[in-house]
Amino acid sequence: RKEVEQDPGPFNVPEGATVAFNCTYSNSASQSFFWYRQDCRKEPKLLMSVYSSGNEDGRFTAQLNRASQYISLLIRDSKLSDSATYLCVVNNLLDTGRRALTFGSGTRLQVQP
Amino acid sequence: DGGITQSPKYLFRKEGQNVTLSCEQNLNHDAMYWYRQDPGQGLRLIYYSQIVNDFQKGDIAEGYSVSREKKESFPLTVTSAQKNPTAFYLCASKLAGGKSEQFFGPGTRLTVL
Repeated sequence: RKEVEQDPGPFNVPEGATVAFNCTYSNSASQSFFWYRQDCRKEPKLLMSVYSSGNEDGRFTAQLNRASQYISLLIRDSKLSDSATYLCVVNNLLDTGRRALTFGSGTRLQVQP
Repeated sequence: DGGITQSPKYLFRKEGQNVTLSCEQNLNHDAMYWYRQDPGQGLRLIYYSQIVNDFQKGDIAEGYSVSREKKESFPLTVTSAQKNPTAFYLCASKLAGGKSEQFFGPGTRLTVL
């Protein structure tokens, strides 16, 4: 089982639609969670951190369910510029005793006019 | 401007040659990371360094080597022992602490012919 699993998509949605992505993680000791956005052939950039109580940033809402070990990202009123790959990222404890980020393989979103 | 730079953006090498990818940051970040990304896959951690003169293997360190002689610099050498070196290589850095944001450089796309 992968440490961080995401549906690869693609999710093809019309402009203005609401779309939701889920991500599951296997390590119950994971402490920090993030959503990154990656445009084609570019580097990932932080979209938002995910807090236990859930958090919202404009059209984007992130939620964490520790009991079920999943994270979600909701995008409302989709824009063409939202088209990208969304990476679910978890901060895990490595065998060395140190922490490092583990990345999901990403969910591709294509917003269509 | 503060940021992370990687050079070159595109790199072509013949099979059997070692090649060194550059990564420099002027963000005064303590930790630096090297990832590899293959098409349709998530980022996989190659090496990371939490402090100068110290570095740790990530999930796929075989065939790679790094050094961290200066806080600002974390070069990655792809050796001839790496069986499938063609990939997109991303360098990242962050402040110490689990919840701080990890910033990425623009990446180097390495093609081994």
